[in-house]
Amino acid sequence: DTGVSQDPRHKITKRGQNVTFRCDPISEHNRLYWYRQTLGQGPEFLTYFQNEAQLEKSRLLSDRFSAERPKGSFSTLEIQRTEQGDSAMYLCASRPPWGLAGVDTGELFFGEGSRLTVL
Amino acid sequence: SQQGEEDPQALSIQEGENATMNCSYKTSINNLQWYRQNSGRGLVHLILIRSNEREKHSGRLRVTLDTSKKSSSLLITASRAADTASYFCATVVTGTASKLTFGTGTRLQVTL
Repeated sequence: DTGVSQDPRHKITKRGQNVTFRCDPISEHNRLYWYRQTLGQGPEFLTYFQNEAQLEKSRLLSDRFSAERPKGSFSTLEIQRTEQGDSAMYLCASRPPWGLAGVDTGELFFGEGSRLTVL
Repeated sequence: SQQGEEDPQALSIQEGENATMNCSYKTSINNLQWYRQNSGRGLVHLILIRSNEREKHSGRLRVTLDTSKKSSSLLITASRAADTASYFCATVVTGTASKLTFGTGTRLQVTL
């Protein structure tokens, strides 16, 4: 499978626990995004990486949230001291290098998401 | 915060009918994209229209863009039960080369 892979697909945790999600983008894609989606809403931007550099973070990304992409390949999103309001689908997407003719069509390629339920 | 809002929020039609969804956005954009999401799954890109384009077609999809009204519409012709999904518009705001901001979505139900 050469698509964007996310793990785990489902995570149930108790309030106060830490959780970590992993995203493996399409191999030649240097840009990686994290979004959060709650039921009945559109995805909300969390953060953006170009290679290993985290270039943009949303105000939604509180101090309890941290994302890394240490080698410019896979990324992790960690939520510390989870709260019930963190229950959502966490979506990862990737995109080829900017402006790469014939490859970068402007679209994002999404994974299937990691659904978090905080009890 | 959401950049765009889709209208209607929900739409129910019969197979073979056309479905039209509208999207309004707030700020100047580089391009506008439409995505589809089946329940509990990731999003799939459908079509992109650039700010200097007014209309674009792809198979049974037709997208229009009116930058003066800050609005776009997605038309799905001859709908099928398999088109049942949520549809989202997403914009790349001018000056933010990479961030895609999504609307609230239209939930389309196509019945046999």
